[in-house]
Amino acid sequence: EAGVTQFPSHSVIEKGQTVTLRCDPISGHDNLYWYRRVMGKEIKFLLHFVKESKQDESGMPNNRFLAERTGGTYSTLKVQPAELEDSGVYFCASSQTGYASGYTFGSGTRLTVV
Amino acid sequence: GNSVTQMEGPVTLSEEAFLTINCTYTATGYPSLFWYVQYPGEGLQLLLKATKADDKGSNKGFEATYRKETTSFHLEKGSVQVSDSAVYFCALSHNTDKLIFGTGTRLQVFP
Repeated sequence: EAGVTQFPSHSVIEKGQTVTLRCDPISGHDNLYWYRRVMGKEIKFLLHFVKESKQDESGMPNNRFLAERTGGTYSTLKVQPAELEDSGVYFCASSQTGYASGYTFGSGTRLTVV
Repeated sequence: GNSVTQMEGPVTLSEEAFLTINCTYTATGYPSLFWYVQYPGEGLQLLLKATKADDKGSNKGFEATYRKETTSFHLEKGSVQVSDSAVYFCALSHNTDKLIFGTGTRLQVFP
């Protein structure tokens, strides 16, 4: 089966611009998660979708971040306007079971804000 | 709150050397513990896991034992290869499907 796909793999944007990251989960996986790793620090949870609904968005850093999951399929994470501290690697994961041991991660999007 | 602390890297070893990457955690009760690995250009992959005290997770020659008394889950391998060069993340999950990660340890193995 196809894995979790993220694109773009890299994005370089200027401060104040908008960027949209996309994640295509494994087909049939209702659970979709976003995490990010900022500049060598720990990977932190951002939010969790169950189908098209936000189950937990407690990790979203501020209202410049907007996540959507249209029709319960792919998800987008928009950063608007981007700030320098948003630079990092954004990971998406999907799971059928909803248990942490059942995650499949994508290869991530490296975002650089200059 | 729950947290994971792992040794800073990079860890630089020669091929066939013994590897230990330390990981300790803070959590109430009995979390599930994981090691993830990220090879260059790839996504995070689950390397091994343990769900209760004294469990040993193992995969690809790597091992880690869940030690409740020391709240540790150190990763070990008896003989590393160049292909093991990657970033290793210790993580826990406790009463939720969210993962709490450590900061990651880069391992560099030279021939």
